[in-house]
Amino acid sequence: SQELEQSPQSLIVQEGKNLTINCTSSKTLYGLYWYKQKYGEGLIFLMMLQKGGEEKSHEKITAKLDEKKQQSSLHITASQPSHAGIYLCGALSGNQFYFGTGTSLTVIP
Amino acid sequence: DGGITQSPKYLFRKEGQNVTLSCEQNLNHDAMYWYRQDPGQGLRLIYYSQIVNDFQKGDIAEGYSVSREKKESFPLTVTSAQKNPTAFYLCASSIEGDRVNVAKNIQYFGAGTRLSVL
Repeated sequence: SQELEQSPQSLIVQEGKNLTINCTSSKTLYGLYWYKQKYGEGLIFLMMLQKGGEEKSHEKITAKLDEKKQQSSLHITASQPSHAGIYLCGALSGNQFYFGTGTSLTVIP
Repeated sequence: DGGITQSPKYLFRKEGQNVTLSCEQNLNHDAMYWYRQDPGQGLRLIYYSQIVNDFQKGDIAEGYSVSREKKESFPLTVTSAQKNPTAFYLCASSIEGDRVNVAKNIQYFGAGTRLSVL
């Protein structure tokens, strides 16, 4: 079965620091989606990647897709308390849509 | 504003009772989904519907039922057969549900319903 592994599972950073979250698929990726979730709330769509090497940015968040490694990374520059939450990746592979288990991010002011 | 509305935000179920969670969207999306979220387990697909009057079981459909009589509505019933219903339930929709077109399969989520057992 398809697995999306996210690392790390949790992350605590000082405000202003950079950080990276990884999402690795066990199968070929046709599309990779990043979402953010605050506790007790729904998922907010951040970005979609579909081509190897594709990189997208939104404010201080950048996501990149490495098709050969079947991996995507989410990088946050100069983290702020507003970045805190759970980041989940979702993948479209074959005829299935999968979600990772999430990375919990805490930003200490 | 277009979006997905889930209600209620909190729901309590008594032993042997069926409860229904509401999900409405005004995005004109064809596909709708129900997920269950438990701590440390990510999202698990309960049911999904690619088009009105059609739906398919997901990975954990036992103890749940759905209907899709209208494009904008996809209610989920948690039946008494679901022995461990306590969880956070999320509804989502996408333009299409064919899982082919990457952009048209972006799923947009509601705010969720937290179900607890009394």
